Amino acid sequence: QSVLTQPPSASGTPGQRVTISCSGSSSNIGSNSVNWYQQFPGTAPKLLIYTNNQWPSGVPDRFSGSKSGTSASLAISGLQSEDEADYYCAAWDDSLNGYVFGTGTKVTVL
Amino acid sequence: EVQLVESGGGLVQPGRSLRLSCAASGFTFDNHAMHWVRQAPGKGLDWVSGISWNSGSTGYADSVKGRFAISRDNAKNSLYLQMNGLRAEDTALYYCAKTGARIVVGSYAFDIWGQGTMVTVSS
Repeated sequence: QSVLTQPPSASGTPGQRVTISCSGSSSNIGSNSVNWYQQFPGTAPKLLIYTNNQWPSGVPDRFSGSKSGTSASLAISGLQSEDEADYYCAAWDDSLNGYVFGTGTKVTVL
Repeated sequence: EVQLVESGGGLVQPGRSLRLSCAASGFTFDNHAMHWVRQAPGKGLDWVSGISWNSGSTGYADSVKGRFAISRDNAKNSLYLQMNGLRAEDTALYYCAKTGARIVVGSYAFDIWGQGTMVTVSS
């Protein structure tokens, strides 16, 4: 079940900044950290941002995460064609006692 | 190289069972909690189950509770998912994923993913 809500799509031209929102509740984002995953068609997801705003090794700092209250955001600055992918937010949910993913956002570079 | 390789998927009739396996290499398997995540064709990611480093704690999504069972064999660096009473809505690509933590509970990121094994439930 997707209890974290994301816009289905986002787009921008090369070099632009694109922001993806992730809306949750007090039992998930409101009380736990948020992680973001990037997935290209036909491939496994890849960890992009962890603990709200930390970068795993190898992830460019063009990607940045933030969290406020029961919402989180992923920003992609200096958008590049290779950033075309699906992006998912995720967090632990204390009420469901499980890990929940966002509905996913497809980013298109125009 | 850190690697997770899933196997055991296939075509199965509704109501039947299937056991998925995930072979881990390149890291100290028994230091990490492990999870299963699935993705139905054309759909988003869906957490299925998780297990702590020593099998002391497990968790399941409501949609699979009572039908699926997660387990691990640290001596064999392997993770398993026993799926019983399969339904059409269980049709998905099943990924195993590693976290940086030993416990299941909490927003620990899935830092390594396998390539997935496809399960199709159909008569």
